[in-house]
Amino acid sequence: NAGVMQNPRHLVRRRGQEARLRCSPVKGHSHVYWYRQLPEEGLKFMVYLQKENIIDESGMPKERFSAEFPKEGPSILRIQQVVRGDSAAYFCASSPMAGANQPQHFGDGTRLSIL
Amino acid sequence: RKEVEQDPGPFNVPEGATVAFNCTYSNSASQSFFWYRQDCRKEPKLLMSVYSSGNEDGRFTAQLNRASQYISLLIRDSKLSDSATYLCVVNMAAGGSYIPTFGRGTSLIVHP
Repeated sequence: NAGVMQNPRHLVRRRGQEARLRCSPVKGHSHVYWYRQLPEEGLKFMVYLQKENIIDESGMPKERFSAEFPKEGPSILRIQQVVRGDSAAYFCASSPMAGANQPQHFGDGTRLSIL
Repeated sequence: RKEVEQDPGPFNVPEGATVAFNCTYSNSASQSFFWYRQDCRKEPKLLMSVYSSGNEDGRFTAQLNRASQYISLLIRDSKLSDSATYLCVVNMAAGGSYIPTFGRGTSLIVHP
């Protein structure tokens, strides 16, 4: 009974490289959320996706960041031309359906470090 | 004004103590409410949902006050293992969907 699976657990990139973070939701969950947590900070919502659709990306930086959740395969959070300030823990969560009363199930997160 | 506000603490209490956290939210259209627990450098884990009538799960009691727009979490008989950050989460209506909005968390330290 796998929960939300994120990989890699740890990712190191040099400034200017690309980072790709993957998230496989709980089986049967069609709603995925990405959050970023800076050291000593709270969770910040980035983007909410359903299969093949971005529902809300109000928390995504306008440049360099993109997310997708294809019909097949995991959700991908992509950061191009990474900078030191992108160093953070990135958490993915999923829920089974839309609606107000759905709690989220979180993955273990990807710790991104930019050298 | 932040959408979901919590006292960051830390709350430093002895084992066996009772401790309570509050969380206020700004969007009156908010539909559902949760408490999560996050241990250092780990993922948040659902502690409990918060229902309008209030609800209890063992030593934990959650309450909702819609009129004043706050929720609370009460922990009785604190254990050392309760030491963690407690996150208040509010599902807020936004353009036809519901976006979970997290507070920054309240840090609890239970000492012997």
